[in-house]
Amino acid sequence: EVQLVESGGGLVQPGGSLRLSCAASGFSFSPYWMSWVRQAPGKGLEWVATIQGDGSESYYVDSVNRRFTISRDNAKNSLYLQMDSLRAEDTAVYYCAREDWYRFDSWGQGTLVTVSS
Amino acid sequence: QSALTQPASVSGSPGQSITISCTGTSSDFGGDNYISWYKQYPGTAPKVVIYDVNKRPSGVSNRFSGSKSGNTASLTISGLQAEDEADYYCSSRRLFGGGTKLTVL
Repeated sequence: EVQLVESGGGLVQPGGSLRLSCAASGFSFSPYWMSWVRQAPGKGLEWVATIQGDGSESYYVDSVNRRFTISRDNAKNSLYLQMDSLRAEDTAVYYCAREDWYRFDSWGQGTLVTVSS
Repeated sequence: QSALTQPASVSGSPGQSITISCTGTSSDFGGDNYISWYKQYPGTAPKVVIYDVNKRPSGVSNRFSGSKSGNTASLTISGLQAEDEADYYCSSRRLFGGGTKLTVL
């Protein structure tokens, strides 16, 4: 069974940093592209970032480009999201998702990031 | 890019059929068939119910079907059941719609 478990969320001040982690199990991690998708409170889904299986290429939504960095450690079956220069509008539940040809076919339970002073 | 356009809400009675539309520009849909639909109960993670316009993942009821015409994709749920009440999101590649709340009357 595919399992994705996020961690690392919490309360951070504007301008601060946070690193999210996602532990994957139940499937062969390295071949799959992996993504982060977020959902602000009471709002819809927004794709944030995607990384190729070997980590060689990554893609970001414009609003987080140069502030967020997606990475992975295939030896540890883990996905990460380093978030810097956080803003109030980054407040959301962040989901780790497995991506298969633009289909997000497995999701974690999400981790809440709150940016507030 | 702006989100794909979905109606904010739709409703139907048990046993009826409903259709949720998802509209974008020609560049949003990119001329390919990477259209997916996700179902989300409050406080839980989304789950894919349709991918590649009209394919159903294993375990998803055949009451769910998808289609696409021009710059509009559609999700149809037939034989509406109480458990179908949820939020539904379309996506084209990595661009999501704003979401539609389905109420089963």
